[in-house]
Amino acid sequence: RKEVEQDPGPFNVPEGATVAFNCTYSNSASQSFFWYRQDCRKEPKLLMSVYSSGNEDGRFTAQLNRASQYISLLIRDSKLSDSATYLCVVNMPNDYKLSFGAGTTVTVRA
Amino acid sequence: GAGVSQTPSNKVTEKGKYVELRCDPISGHTALYWYRQSLGQGPEFLIYFQGTGAADDSGLPNDRFFAVRPEGSVSTLKIQRTERGDSAVYLCASSLTLGGGQFFGPGTRLTVL
Repeated sequence: RKEVEQDPGPFNVPEGATVAFNCTYSNSASQSFFWYRQDCRKEPKLLMSVYSSGNEDGRFTAQLNRASQYISLLIRDSKLSDSATYLCVVNMPNDYKLSFGAGTTVTVRA
Repeated sequence: GAGVSQTPSNKVTEKGKYVELRCDPISGHTALYWYRQSLGQGPEFLIYFQGTGAADDSGLPNDRFFAVRPEGSVSTLKIQRTERGDSAVYLCASSLTLGGGQFFGPGTRLTVL
């Protein structure tokens, strides 16, 4: 079983729509959680960290459910520029390597 | 300021050849990480350095892969006797301290023919 699993999508949504997707992680000891964004043929860039109480950054909301071992990302009022692959990332306590999911592709259409 | 830089941006080589990939971290960042990303997959960890020493090389797939960071700044990933399965994008990241936020470079796209 992969350490981090994501629905690959693609999620095709119209501008202005809300889109949400999850990722699951296998190791219950995982400590830190992140969403990265990756544009086509570009490097991953940190979108946001995910905190236990859930957190929001503008139109983006991340949630963590430790009991069920999943994290989610919700994008409100989608923009064309939100089209990208969203990578779910976890890491373990005292371990500095990041474990990435394969990514969820989101395409926002005009 | 300048981000992480990687050279070359693209490298095409023949099976069996030796390649070196270079990473220049953000100035002042003490930790440096190498990942590789195959098509349709997320990046996979290879190795990370704290200063000059390799703190964790558990992700290196076999002994054809080796990385160095002799002065605690620039790092070189070396691949001997390349195989077609080594074709991927090799990503380097750096962080101010170990455990800090990782900033990625643009990657080197390696193609082994």
